Amino acid sequence: GESVGLHLPTLSVQEGDNSIINCAYSNSASDYFIWYKQESGKGPQFIIDIRSNMDKRQGQRVTVLLNKTVKHLSLQIAATQPGDSAVYFCAENNPGANNLFFGTGTRLTVIP
Amino acid sequence: EPEVTQTPSHQVTQMGQEVILRCVPISNHLYFYWYRQILGQKVEFLVSFYNNEISEKSEIFDDQFSVERPDGSNFTLKIRSTKLEDSAMYFCASRHRGKIEQFFGPGTRLTVL
Repeated sequence: GESVGLHLPTLSVQEGDNSIINCAYSNSASDYFIWYKQESGKGPQFIIDIRSNMDKRQGQRVTVLLNKTVKHLSLQIAATQPGDSAVYFCAENNPGANNLFFGTGTRLTVIP
Repeated sequence: EPEVTQTPSHQVTQMGQEVILRCVPISNHLYFYWYRQILGQKVEFLVSFYNNEISEKSEIFDDQFSVERPDGSNFTLKIRSTKLEDSAMYFCASRHRGKIEQFFGPGTRLTVL
């Protein structure tokens, strides 16, 4: 079936460096994507979203890139801080479906 | 800032017992969801609820599961006869009409012994 997956299960970066977290999706009909951050013991927290008619969207220190040709999504975090340490999930919304499909998750560890 | 709340934060139960997990969605949201996350795995959709009825459910959401909006603020998930494999974090989420973004609660950790 259709699925959303992440390339890397873990990522360690030095504080101050930039982080890039990747996600592959397989449903070409998906029209909306969200990145969520999940800290230990907490629920997913919205970071940034992007619609399928866009290639790039920027937020505060975060940028999401969407490549529909290869069905790839990435989250870039600038100047990574210790507070960014968490598991990051991408999720996709399919038109007509009333739910989100989540990827496996990437654990980001920021080394002080 | 409004947020989704869930109670209890941790529920321990014996296999075969019934549990009710409670959620208070954001007050002006109309779409409600339950997801679960088995330890170390991804978040999985269970059910969506709108206008006092289920709008969509996954294969996980079998006859042992039910949802209810008993009043104007609460949204509950009931598991009639819990199994060991029901042990997971259960997240409630809600969204506003016209928006796709879902806001998640902090979750209830269910442990079935």
